Parts: sequence; structure tokens; C-alpha cells
Amino acid sequence: DSGVTQTPKHLITATGQRVTLRCSPRSGDLSVYWYQQSLDQGLQFLIQYYNGEERAKGNILERFSAQQFPDLHSELNLSSLELGDSALYFCASSVESGYGYTFGSGTRLTVV
Amino acid sequence: TQLLEQSPQFLSIQEGENLTVYCNSSSVFSSLQWYRQEPGEGPVLLVTVVTGGEVKKLKRLTFQFGDARKDSSLHITAAQTGDTGLYLCAVNYNFNKFYFGSGTKLNVKP
Repeated sequence: DSGVTQTPKHLITATGQRVTLRCSPRSGDLSVYWYQQSLDQGLQFLIQYYNGEERAKGNILERFSAQQFPDLHSELNLSSLELGDSALYFCASSVESGYGYTFGSGTRLTVV
Repeated sequence: TQLLEQSPQFLSIQEGENLTVYCNSSSVFSSLQWYRQEPGEGPVLLVTVVTGGEVKKLKRLTFQFGDARKDSSLHITAAQTGDTGLYLCAVNYNFNKFYFGSGTKLNVKP
């Protein structure tokens, strides 16, 4: 157990739908990062939050949004889902940027 | 052009053999991390290197950061089947943007 908790572990949904992925960071970590991993794209950085504030944005689509709550858990919202959004979505947390992250075990999203 | 180039992409070896995988870039980084990822799981941090020329050892794994802080290598001595996995290097570039290489998929056969 890495200390980073992601739910749900698996999610199957239809095109056009909206889903929410949840992440609880490791105790004491203020930064939360979201990554998408697909077979042809590798691990792609989506977005970072630090203590409730958006800190950095990567290749996150406009259909995707995220937030970090006062208790530091984070949610990634994916809307108007397309087949190409099928992927593993990972959350990671860290105390400070640049010194390595602790990853959760991911949510496998399948859009049918 | 990828920010980080990892080589080789795939490596299949027998248990007991030694191997080296590489992570190269034309950019300079303040730090670099190595991770191992097993199928269906999140990457697990192995090491962070910070200083040019730094060498870190983790049991049979030896990590080196290039003198110019543009590249890194991971050497495994006497590989075991438990070393099988995807080895990823990652950097923090352009202030808080994080990039992972595409990885080296290692298969250690018994």
C-alpha cells in the first residue's frame, strides 16, 4: 500500500458520459498530480494541485477538470467521454515538487 | 522530438545477466527520478538523483546522473525475475511540468 488511495479501481462507461475519479494523497503530502497512461502515449501529465490551488497544467483536455478539496483529496472529472479517453488514470502525491512522487494504483477507465 | 529518450525500448534477458538502460536528453535538469512499474500498478519511485555525476546504489541497482545533468543510466547486476517491469525516468522541467520517458520494458526469464 503506497498510501495514495484511488477509487474506483475500474470504471466502464459509455461515450458521452461523465465520470469522477477520486484520489486521497499520502498523509502529509500537499501536492496531488493526475496522469493519464495509455498504450500509445505513455504517462502524460495532466494537472497538479498544491494545497487546494492549481499549480501546473499539462496536456489536459478542456473536457477534463480537477479540483483539490480542503482535506487535500482530489477529484478528476472527465466529461463528454470518447473512446480515446480509455486509459489508466493515476494520481500521485508528493511533499515537494521535483523530488519524486508516490503513485496510487490507478483507475482503469474503459469507454464503450 | 521527445524530451526524454529511453533505450532500449524492450529488453529480454536471462536471470543472472547484467544490463544497463539509458535515459537521455539534450536539456539540463535539476533532478531526475527512476521508477519501476508493474502491469496494472502505479509506478514506484526507485531513486532521485540531483547532483551531476552522482551515483546511487539500491541493492543490485546502480543509478548514475550524467556530469552535465542531461542523462542518466540504470545498471542492474545479476538480474532476477522480480526485476521484470517497465523502467521509467522522469524529470521536472519548465517549473512544475513533469515529464516521463516512454520507458524500457524489461523481461527477466528464469
